Amino acid sequence: SQKIEQNSEALNIQEGKTATLTCNYTNYSPAYLQWYRQDPGRGPVFLLLIRENEKEKRKERLKVTFDTTLKQSLFHITASQPADSATYLCALTSNNAGNNRKLIWGLGTSLAVNP
Amino acid sequence: GAGVSQSPSNKVTEKGKDVELRCDPISGHTALYWYRQSLGQGLEFLIYFQGNSAPDKSGLPSDRFSAERTGGSVSTLTIQRTQQEDSAVYLCASSVAAGSYNEQFFGPGTRLTVL
Repeated sequence: SQKIEQNSEALNIQEGKTATLTCNYTNYSPAYLQWYRQDPGRGPVFLLLIRENEKEKRKERLKVTFDTTLKQSLFHITASQPADSATYLCALTSNNAGNNRKLIWGLGTSLAVNP
Repeated sequence: GAGVSQSPSNKVTEKGKDVELRCDPISGHTALYWYRQSLGQGLEFLIYFQGNSAPDKSGLPSDRFSAERTGGSVSTLTIQRTQQEDSAVYLCASSVAAGSYNEQFFGPGTRLTVL
């Protein structure tokens, strides 16, 4: 069956370090993969989108990689700050025709950056 | 500019009652999505609207759930004869158009509690 997996355990890191979050998927051939941030009591906020033919995407302190062979995306936050503490969600769509308008979501990984 | 808004922010109801949840998308966004998020669970797709096309209702969990979108703007999610398992946060999102390459903008959600 199709599945998206993110680290279920919370990630705790020290301020200034690089946080790396993992999103693995099985039985999908995603055309696009998106990363969102969700703070408690709020809706998710879009961060980055990466296409299947892109290996890497950067935005300020954020970097996303997409390895379609490993079926994995890595999300990096460099020079992390306590304000980066949140839950990070990955979402993807299948490139199957007719089903490419819905995002399928991982459960998210909680990140805590300690000062 | 104004983002996606949802009302009410909290709703407590008794089992068996009907509830209506409202979503005001970003002006000009043609796609509108409803999701449900339960504690410890990922975002569960419910329904999406795209312009004047027939909505994709494939995620609605039962026939007690329905949604409409009037005039291509405001949407209402209705849950009839609520059950305790309906308790969750209901999130609405809009995007410029339906498509996995478009970021989704989320509202703050409506927390529904069924007693």
